[in-house]
Amino acid sequence: NAGVTQTPKFRVLKTGQSMTLLCAQDMNHEYMYWYRQDPGMGLRLIHYSVGEGTTAKGEVPDGYNVSRLKKQNFLLGLESAAPSQTSVYFCASRDTSGYNEQFFGPGTRLTVL
Amino acid sequence: AQRVTQPEKLLSVFKGAPVELKCNYSYSGSPELFWYVQYSRQRLQLLLRHISRESIKGFTADLNKGETSFHLKKPFAQEEDSAMYYCALRRSNTDKLIFGTGTRLQVFP
Repeated sequence: NAGVTQTPKFRVLKTGQSMTLLCAQDMNHEYMYWYRQDPGMGLRLIHYSVGEGTTAKGEVPDGYNVSRLKKQNFLLGLESAAPSQTSVYFCASRDTSGYNEQFFGPGTRLTVL
Repeated sequence: AQRVTQPEKLLSVFKGAPVELKCNYSYSGSPELFWYVQYSRQRLQLLLRHISRESIKGFTADLNKGETSFHLKKPFAQEEDSAMYYCALRRSNTDKLIFGTGTRLQVFP
């Protein structure tokens, strides 16, 4: 099992450009999450999904959109990138067994110039 | 509002010294607390959770509801413990985790 994978690993964008980050998991997990990690801020939840076709806002959703068309994929979109969105983005997933462990991807380092 | 506070950004100790990474939370209900660890160039992974009351890699953490704390402890630090440690809280009946800002542990030889 690959676990949670993220594509791409690195990306540099210019202000105003758009892009989509892909998260994929092969563990058949219902729940998926997108976080951003910034120095001194820890991990902050952007959006999450409790199942295929559902999404919900997290702590810092502005400037991002998400879609969960397939259970195994969770896409994070930036329609018009801003320098404030320079960050490391982590995807995570978890099952509904009650153990509540979130499994994380390796991260995507995004720089917006 | 629910909050997780990790007051130390950086904790430096020598190998063999005791380690305590502090975590305090604010939540009026029954929380579920976790410690996650991120080693250099690796992904974030669960270290331990309070419900399990387990010891992982020599680390333990006890939930103190009176002091609203969940400090992570290890009696003798090892160089391989150097990493970023995050405390996290899950409110009852929610699907989300609230993370602290993290503490970087440096263990010197």
